[in-house]
Amino acid sequence: DIQMTQSPSSVSASVGDRVTITCRASQGITTWVAWYQQKPGRAPNLLIYGASTLQSGVPSRFSGSGSGTDFTLTITSLQPEDFATYYCQQAKSLPFTFGPGTKVDFK
Amino acid sequence: QVQLVESGGGVVQPGRSLRLSCAASGFTFSAYAIHWVRQAPGKGLEWVAFISYDGYDKNFANSVKGRFTISRDNSKNTVYLQMKSLRGEDTAVYYCVKDQAVGEPAGIYVDWGQGTRVTVSS
Repeated sequence: DIQMTQSPSSVSASVGDRVTITCRASQGITTWVAWYQQKPGRAPNLLIYGASTLQSGVPSRFSGSGSGTDFTLTITSLQPEDFATYYCQQAKSLPFTFGPGTKVDFK
Repeated sequence: QVQLVESGGGVVQPGRSLRLSCAASGFTFSAYAIHWVRQAPGKGLEWVAFISYDGYDKNFANSVKGRFTISRDNSKNTVYLQMKSLRGEDTAVYYCVKDQAVGEPAGIYVDWGQGTRVTVSS
């Protein structure tokens, strides 16, 4: 199975900050990565798929990059509604494993 | 619009069984794979199981392999997750998730159910 790791596990930031979250796959997965945002008590929300394709309706301050084993989610100019937990997921091969998550909270 | 409604959760003793259901509407159910994803209290997301659009292909996380089975009834627009030999570590909210791709799974999850809570405790 493909394992996904994320760093950092948590980050403290302020409104307007640029936040970068990295995700690493245990083997090459080309661009088969998705990123999700989850707020407490709610189902996750898809932000990006195919490593860099922004899901419809997601603000352009979110962007994704990477291929192979290393991927990045960037939030430019963090907004109050962006404080949440973010997960990467590989979709190269079943089981479609998730990373452990990165919590973005208030500094 | 797409709706996924899970049911069947509850409190169950270790070693017992439980069957979750996911009733779907708002799309051509028989064309899409369905996945189950769970989240233990205070923990991250864990992919659990997959069933192909036609029910022929299935896959499970190692943590549930041999204990969980998955099936679907395309005439009822429903997917079932049969859970046996339940353990404390199976305690979680279980989400039913529609794969975004027609036919083969792409692991792109736009549509999620509201989740059903399973608690394994004596």
